[in-house]
Amino acid sequence: RKEVEQDPGPFNVPEGATVAFNCTYSNSASQSFFWYRQDCRKEPKLLMSVYSSGNEDGRFTAQLNRASQYISLLIRDSKLSDSATYLCVVKADSWGKLQFGAGTQVVVTP
Amino acid sequence: NAGVTQTPKFQVLKTGQSMTLQCAQDMNHEYMSWYRQDPGMGLRLIHYSVGAGITDQGEVPNGYNVSRSTTEDFPLRLLSAAPSQTSVYFCASKNYRQTNEKLFFGSGTQLSVL
Repeated sequence: RKEVEQDPGPFNVPEGATVAFNCTYSNSASQSFFWYRQDCRKEPKLLMSVYSSGNEDGRFTAQLNRASQYISLLIRDSKLSDSATYLCVVKADSWGKLQFGAGTQVVVTP
Repeated sequence: NAGVTQTPKFQVLKTGQSMTLQCAQDMNHEYMSWYRQDPGMGLRLIHYSVGAGITDQGEVPNGYNVSRSTTEDFPLRLLSAAPSQTSVYFCASKNYRQTNEKLFFGSGTQLSVL
């Protein structure tokens, strides 16, 4: 079983709509959680950290559910520029080793 | 500010050849690492370093060597390339004291081993 699992998608979203997707992790002792964004054939970039109480960054909302061991990302008012692959990242241990999910592809269409 | 500079962008090798992927950062980051990214799989850690003179193995270290003689540079050496090492490689660095785990990635190297 993978440490971090994501639905690969693609999630096809009309421009202006809302899209949400989850990521599950297997290690209940995981400490920190992040979403990275990766454009096609480019390097990943940090989108946002995920805090226990949930957090927003503009049109992006991240949630953590420790009991069910998943994090989620919601994108409101989708823009064409939101088309990308979103990587779920979990900090597995105190040494800071990060576990990456394989990513969820989002395609925003006009 | 160049950030993380990774070269080459593309490379084709024959089985058994050796090569070095270069990585340099100008942000004075203590932590540097190498990942490989394969279709359908998350980025997997190959080797990492928490400072000059210190390196350690990640999840998939076999067939790769690293060294960290300076804070800025962290080259990855393929000793004898195999088709299973065909992948996209990313170098990444971060400020170890930051809590947001923000990794700065290089632009990647597409490696094909024939």
